[in-house]
Amino acid sequence: SQTIHQWPATLVQPVGSPLSLECTVEGTSNPNLYWYRQAAGRGLQLLFYSVGIGQISSEVPQNLSASRPQDRQFILSSKKLLLSDSGFYLCAWSAVLGAEAFFGQGTRLTVV
Amino acid sequence: QKEVEQNSGPLSVPEGAIASLNCTYSDRGSQSFFWYRQYSGKSPELIMSIYSNGDKEDGRFTAQLNKASQYVSLLIRDSQPSDSATYLCAVNMAGRWGLTGGGNKLTFGTGTQLKVEL
Repeated sequence: SQTIHQWPATLVQPVGSPLSLECTVEGTSNPNLYWYRQAAGRGLQLLFYSVGIGQISSEVPQNLSASRPQDRQFILSSKKLLLSDSGFYLCAWSAVLGAEAFFGQGTRLTVV
Repeated sequence: QKEVEQNSGPLSVPEGAIASLNCTYSDRGSQSFFWYRQYSGKSPELIMSIYSNGDKEDGRFTAQLNKASQYVSLLIRDSQPSDSATYLCAVNMAGRWGLTGGGNKLTFGTGTQLKVEL
């Protein structure tokens, strides 16, 4: 069966510091991968998606970037965090692009 | 108008009752609809998917889709305190799979908080 791992679970970072969140999927090949952010009172917002190694599509302009160095690895990064980057970050995968997605455990990021 | 709209709640129902959660969407061409359950502090968990008009049942859950009226609902029978969570409606807002027109992602509502009371 497929599993998705995301870490760390919680993170407190100062403003201006870098960020790296990692997500890996097991049990499937060539998954479609997504990074979502969930802010209080708002729905899940898609940040990036990837259909393959090195292929990244950005949904919204922001202070973040994503990379996919391996088939089942997806990384969310920032060079300098802003207070507004705080939120619950979720990695997800799907077998078909835009179809039912399965989420990792999430990372609660607080920028102070 | 929001693309996917849900009443934020909270919706309170007594234990054993039927909970009815509703969702409307703006794209008439949408083809795929999903319900996720999210416990406080946790990630969303897929509980139902529906693609055709009508009802789809899975255990205590029934998803209902009406494309003409652009709404999808989730019924939870015999509600239990463990059902207390936020329920997210998600829609693929494209007429076909693809990288354009919104077919590359799921668009989520903000969720309805359900409280099942003893």
